[in-house]
Amino acid sequence: TQLLEQSPQFLSIQEGENLTVYCNSSSVFSSLQWYRQEPGEGPVLLVTVVTGGEVKKLKRLTFQFGDARKDSSLHITAAQPGDTGLYLCAGPGGFKTIFGAGTRLFVKA
Amino acid sequence: KAGVTQTPRYLIKTRGQQVTLSCSPISGHRSVSWYQQTPGQGLQFLFEYFSETQRNKGNFPGRFSGRQFSNSRSEMNVSTLELGDSALYLCASSLGRGRITEAFFGQGTRLTVV
Repeated sequence: TQLLEQSPQFLSIQEGENLTVYCNSSSVFSSLQWYRQEPGEGPVLLVTVVTGGEVKKLKRLTFQFGDARKDSSLHITAAQPGDTGLYLCAGPGGFKTIFGAGTRLFVKA
Repeated sequence: KAGVTQTPRYLIKTRGQQVTLSCSPISGHRSVSWYQQTPGQGLQFLFEYFSETQRNKGNFPGRFSGRQFSNSRSEMNVSTLELGDSALYLCASSLGRGRITEAFFGQGTRLTVV
Protein backbone atom coordinates (compact mmCIF):
# COMPACT_ATOMS: atom_id res chain seq x y z
CA THR A 1 0.00 0.00 0.00
CA GLN A 2 1.37 3.36 -0.99
CA LEU A 3 1.44 5.89 1.84
CA LEU A 4 2.62 9.47 2.10
CA GLU A 5 3.78 10.66 5.52
CA GLN A 6 4.08 14.35 6.17
CA SER A 7 6.02 16.06 8.90
CA PRO A 8 5.68 18.00 11.02
CA GLN A 9 1.95 17.70 11.59
CA PHE A 10 1.72 21.22 12.96
CA LEU A 11 4.00 24.24 12.76
CA SER A 12 3.55 27.67 14.33
CA ILE A 13 6.14 30.31 13.45
CA GLN A 14 6.66 34.06 13.43
CA GLU A 15 6.41 36.14 10.29
CA GLY A 16 9.77 36.33 8.54
CA GLU A 17 11.03 32.89 9.60
CA ASN A 18 12.00 30.13 7.20
CA LEU A 19 10.56 26.63 7.35
CA THR A 20 10.67 23.26 5.64
CA VAL A 21 7.98 20.59 5.57
CA TYR A 22 8.49 17.05 4.39
CA CYS A 23 6.61 14.37 2.51
CA ASN A 24 8.03 10.84 2.64
CA SER A 25 7.14 7.43 1.30
CA SER A 26 8.67 3.98 1.04
CA SER A 27 7.24 3.76 -2.50
CA VAL A 28 8.39 5.39 -5.70
CA PHE A 29 5.98 7.91 -7.19
CA SER A 30 5.92 8.95 -10.83
CA SER A 31 4.99 12.45 -9.70
CA LEU A 32 4.06 14.35 -6.56
CA GLN A 33 1.85 17.35 -6.11
CA TRP A 34 1.70 19.93 -3.35
CA TYR A 35 -1.54 21.65 -2.38
CA ARG A 36 -2.45 24.41 0.04
CA GLN A 37 -5.85 24.43 1.69
CA GLU A 38 -7.41 27.27 3.63
CA PRO A 39 -10.19 26.64 6.18
CA GLY A 40 -13.53 25.80 4.58
CA GLU A 41 -12.11 25.74 1.06
CA GLY A 42 -10.87 23.07 -1.31
CA PRO A 43 -7.14 22.39 -1.73
CA VAL A 44 -5.42 24.47 -4.39
CA LEU A 45 -2.69 22.92 -6.49
CA LEU A 46 0.67 24.66 -6.02
CA VAL A 47 3.08 22.54 -8.04
CA THR A 48 3.76 19.15 -9.59
CA VAL A 49 7.24 17.60 -9.53
CA VAL A 50 8.03 14.80 -11.92
CA THR A 51 11.78 14.25 -12.29
CA GLY A 52 13.99 12.89 -9.50
CA GLY A 53 16.07 15.72 -8.04
CA GLU A 54 13.83 18.35 -9.59
CA VAL A 55 13.60 21.74 -7.89
CA LYS A 56 10.76 24.15 -8.61
CA LYS A 57 10.31 27.65 -7.25
CA LEU A 58 7.08 29.55 -6.79
CA LYS A 59 7.95 33.00 -5.40
CA ARG A 60 9.10 32.29 -1.81
CA LEU A 61 8.24 28.58 -2.02
CA THR A 62 10.82 26.02 -3.14
CA PHE A 63 9.77 22.45 -3.89
CA GLN A 64 12.19 19.57 -4.26
CA PHE A 65 11.60 16.00 -5.43
CA GLY A 66 14.01 13.42 -4.03
CA ASP A 67 16.46 11.72 -6.36
CA ALA A 68 14.74 8.37 -5.82
CA ARG A 69 11.28 9.93 -6.22
CA LYS A 70 10.21 8.69 -2.78
CA ASP A 71 10.17 12.00 -0.96
CA SER A 72 9.65 15.70 -1.42
CA SER A 73 10.13 18.88 0.57
CA LEU A 74 8.62 22.32 0.60
CA HIS A 75 10.72 25.22 1.85
CA ILE A 76 9.18 28.62 2.55
CA THR A 77 11.46 31.64 2.87
CA ALA A 78 10.42 34.61 5.00
CA ALA A 79 6.97 33.23 5.83
CA GLN A 80 4.03 35.59 5.83
CA PRO A 81 0.60 35.34 7.52
CA GLY A 82 -0.88 34.67 4.09
CA ASP A 83 1.06 31.39 3.98
CA THR A 84 -1.11 30.05 6.80
CA GLY A 85 -2.96 26.91 5.80
CA LEU A 86 -2.84 23.14 5.46
CA TYR A 87 -0.13 21.89 3.09
CA LEU A 88 -0.83 18.54 1.50
CA CYS A 89 1.36 16.37 -0.67
CA ALA A 90 -0.24 13.89 -3.05
CA GLY A 91 0.69 11.32 -5.63
CA PRO A 92 -0.92 8.85 -7.99
CA GLY A 93 -1.95 5.48 -6.58
CA GLY A 94 -3.79 3.38 -9.10
CA PHE A 95 -6.99 5.10 -10.12
CA LYS A 96 -6.94 7.48 -7.23
CA THR A 97 -4.76 10.21 -5.78
CA ILE A 98 -3.13 9.43 -2.45
CA PHE A 99 -2.88 12.30 0.02
CA GLY A 100 -0.70 12.76 3.04
CA ALA A 101 -2.34 13.91 6.28
CA GLY A 102 -0.89 17.38 5.80
CA THR A 103 1.16 19.94 7.70
CA ARG A 104 -0.88 22.68 9.31
CA LEU A 105 1.11 25.92 9.21
CA PHE A 106 0.27 29.01 11.23
CA VAL A 107 2.30 32.16 10.64
CA LYS A 108 1.93 34.81 13.30
CA ALA A 109 2.20 38.49 12.41
CA LYS B 1 -11.48 28.05 -18.17
CA ALA B 2 -14.04 27.45 -15.43
CA GLY B 3 -12.96 25.51 -12.37
CA VAL B 4 -14.67 22.71 -10.50
CA THR B 5 -18.11 23.66 -9.25
CA GLN B 6 -19.74 22.01 -6.28
CA THR B 7 -23.28 22.64 -5.15
CA PRO B 8 -24.58 23.39 -2.69
CA ARG B 9 -21.86 25.05 -0.57
CA TYR B 10 -23.64 24.41 2.70
CA LEU B 11 -26.27 21.93 3.83
CA ILE B 12 -27.96 21.17 7.12
CA LYS B 13 -29.78 17.86 7.34
CA THR B 14 -31.41 15.80 10.05
CA ARG B 15 -30.33 12.32 11.06
CA GLY B 16 -31.99 9.68 8.90
CA GLN B 17 -32.44 11.93 5.90
CA GLN B 18 -30.63 11.51 2.62
CA VAL B 19 -28.61 14.06 0.67
CA THR B 20 -27.32 14.50 -2.87
CA LEU B 21 -24.26 16.58 -3.67
CA SER B 22 -23.30 17.71 -7.16
CA CYS B 23 -19.97 18.30 -8.87
CA SER B 24 -19.26 19.76 -12.30
CA PRO B 25 -15.66 19.06 -13.36
CA ILE B 26 -13.37 21.16 -15.49
CA SER B 27 -14.29 20.93 -19.16
CA GLY B 28 -12.42 18.04 -20.78
CA HIS B 29 -11.76 16.24 -17.51
CA ARG B 30 -13.28 12.77 -17.44
CA SER B 31 -12.30 11.73 -13.93
CA VAL B 32 -14.14 12.85 -10.82
CA SER B 33 -13.11 11.82 -7.32
CA TRP B 34 -14.93 12.43 -4.06
CA TYR B 35 -13.35 12.93 -0.65
CA GLN B 36 -14.62 13.38 2.88
CA GLN B 37 -12.62 15.70 5.09
CA THR B 38 -13.02 15.94 8.85
CA PRO B 39 -10.70 17.67 11.32
CA GLY B 40 -9.48 14.43 12.83
CA GLN B 41 -9.25 12.22 9.74
CA GLY B 42 -7.87 14.35 6.95
CA LEU B 43 -8.86 13.64 3.35
CA GLN B 44 -10.60 10.27 3.07
CA PHE B 45 -11.15 8.88 -0.43
CA LEU B 46 -14.73 7.92 -1.21
CA PHE B 47 -14.74 6.90 -4.88
CA GLU B 48 -13.54 7.81 -8.36
CA TYR B 49 -15.46 7.82 -11.61
CA PHE B 50 -14.08 7.88 -15.12
CA SER B 51 -16.32 7.98 -18.17
CA GLU B 52 -19.39 7.02 -16.11
CA THR B 53 -17.68 3.98 -14.53
CA GLN B 54 -16.60 3.67 -10.93
CA ARG B 55 -12.91 2.71 -11.09
CA ASN B 56 -12.03 2.82 -7.43
CA LYS B 57 -13.82 2.88 -4.08
CA GLY B 58 -12.70 3.74 -0.58
CA ASN B 59 -13.67 2.10 2.68
CA PHE B 60 -17.02 3.70 3.28
CA PRO B 61 -20.36 1.99 3.98
CA GLY B 62 -22.89 1.37 1.25
CA ARG B 63 -24.87 4.42 2.39
CA PHE B 64 -22.39 6.42 0.34
CA SER B 65 -22.92 6.10 -3.40
CA GLY B 66 -22.20 8.06 -6.50
CA ARG B 67 -22.63 8.25 -10.21
CA GLN B 68 -21.28 10.08 -13.20
CA PHE B 69 -23.19 11.29 -16.20
CA SER B 70 -22.19 11.34 -19.85
CA ASN B 71 -21.16 15.00 -19.56
CA SER B 72 -18.78 14.01 -16.70
CA ARG B 73 -20.85 15.74 -14.04
CA SER B 74 -21.05 13.65 -10.90
CA GLU B 75 -23.36 13.27 -7.96
CA MET B 76 -22.76 11.78 -4.58
CA ASN B 77 -25.57 10.47 -2.40
CA VAL B 78 -25.59 9.68 1.29
CA SER B 79 -28.62 7.87 2.66
CA THR B 80 -29.75 7.47 6.27
CA LEU B 81 -27.52 10.29 7.48
CA GLU B 82 -25.66 9.92 10.76
CA LEU B 83 -24.17 12.63 12.96
CA GLY B 84 -20.69 11.37 12.01
CA ASP B 85 -21.34 12.18 8.37
CA SER B 86 -20.90 15.87 9.17
CA ALA B 87 -17.88 16.91 7.13
CA LEU B 88 -16.56 18.89 4.20
CA TYR B 89 -17.16 16.88 1.02
CA LEU B 90 -14.71 17.66 -1.75
CA CYS B 91 -14.85 16.82 -5.40
CA ALA B 92 -11.74 16.77 -7.57
CA SER B 93 -11.51 16.53 -11.33
CA SER B 94 -8.60 15.38 -13.43
CA LEU B 95 -7.84 14.07 -16.88
CA GLY B 96 -7.82 10.61 -15.33
CA ARG B 97 -5.04 9.12 -17.37
CA GLY B 98 -1.32 9.54 -17.90
CA ARG B 99 1.66 9.67 -15.56
CA ILE B 100 0.82 13.05 -14.06
CA THR B 101 -2.49 13.06 -12.22
CA GLU B 102 -3.06 16.61 -11.10
CA ALA B 103 -6.36 16.97 -9.30
CA PHE B 104 -8.29 20.22 -9.20
CA PHE B 105 -10.69 20.67 -6.34
CA GLY B 106 -13.98 22.44 -5.93
CA GLN B 107 -14.70 24.59 -2.89
CA GLY B 108 -16.53 21.73 -1.23
CA THR B 109 -19.92 21.18 0.33
CA ARG B 110 -20.08 21.62 4.07
CA LEU B 111 -22.63 19.10 5.37
CA THR B 112 -23.91 19.38 8.91
CA VAL B 113 -26.10 16.59 10.29
CA VAL B 114 -28.15 17.48 13.35
